[in-house]
Amino acid sequence: QVQLQESGPGLVKPSETLSLTCTVSGGSISSYYWSWIRQPPGKGLEWIGYIYYSGSTNYNPSLKSRVTISVDTSKNQFSLKLSSVTAADTAVYYCARADGMPRYWGQGTLVTVSS
Amino acid sequence: EIVLTQSPDFQSVTPKEKVTITCRASQSIGSSLHWYQQKPDQSPKLLIKYASQSISGVPSRFSGSGSGTDFTLTINSLEAEDAATYYCHQSSSLLWTFGQGTKVEIK
Repeated sequence: QVQLQESGPGLVKPSETLSLTCTVSGGSISSYYWSWIRQPPGKGLEWIGYIYYSGSTNYNPSLKSRVTISVDTSKNQFSLKLSSVTAADTAVYYCARADGMPRYWGQGTLVTVSS
Repeated sequence: EIVLTQSPDFQSVTPKEKVTITCRASQSIGSSLHWYQQKPDQSPKLLIKYASQSISGVPSRFSGSGSGTDFTLTINSLEAEDAATYYCHQSSSLLWTFGQGTKVEIK
């Protein structure tokens, strides 16, 4: 059974870059689409983007200018970078494996943007 | 952007009652509509894929139907453990979107 685990700082200062990594275990990252989704406290789900293992990406246009998703097949990891963060980027960030839709999700990690 | 609108936003239901949640898309998405269940402090769990396809391990009381712009998630004979927020999600377009969620409370 594939498992995903997010890791990274839980607190980021405004205007800085949020960086998270998702480690995949129980299966190879060299297939499927790998996605990031976030959920502000008490609110709904927002898709951030996904990357195919080969490196092709697709981002939410509302975040596209600030988002980079990358993959490291040698480490079975993929990563999220979100630049110029504000308080509005405070959320639980989930990574997920997608085969047509996000199917297997990490437990999520809360990232708070605050000085 | 394809907007998904769920109704109702909130539903309070007694055990064994039937629950129906609808999801309407702002344009046709074929069958590329999926349903998730999210319990407090947990990550979303896939219940139904491609409008009506069941997922291994998900109780048979959960079913989905619809195509085009109108979709339904049905929970037959609600159980206490089904208290959660339910989301629809479309992957028809390059911009994936989610519905706003429907919270189901047990009376």
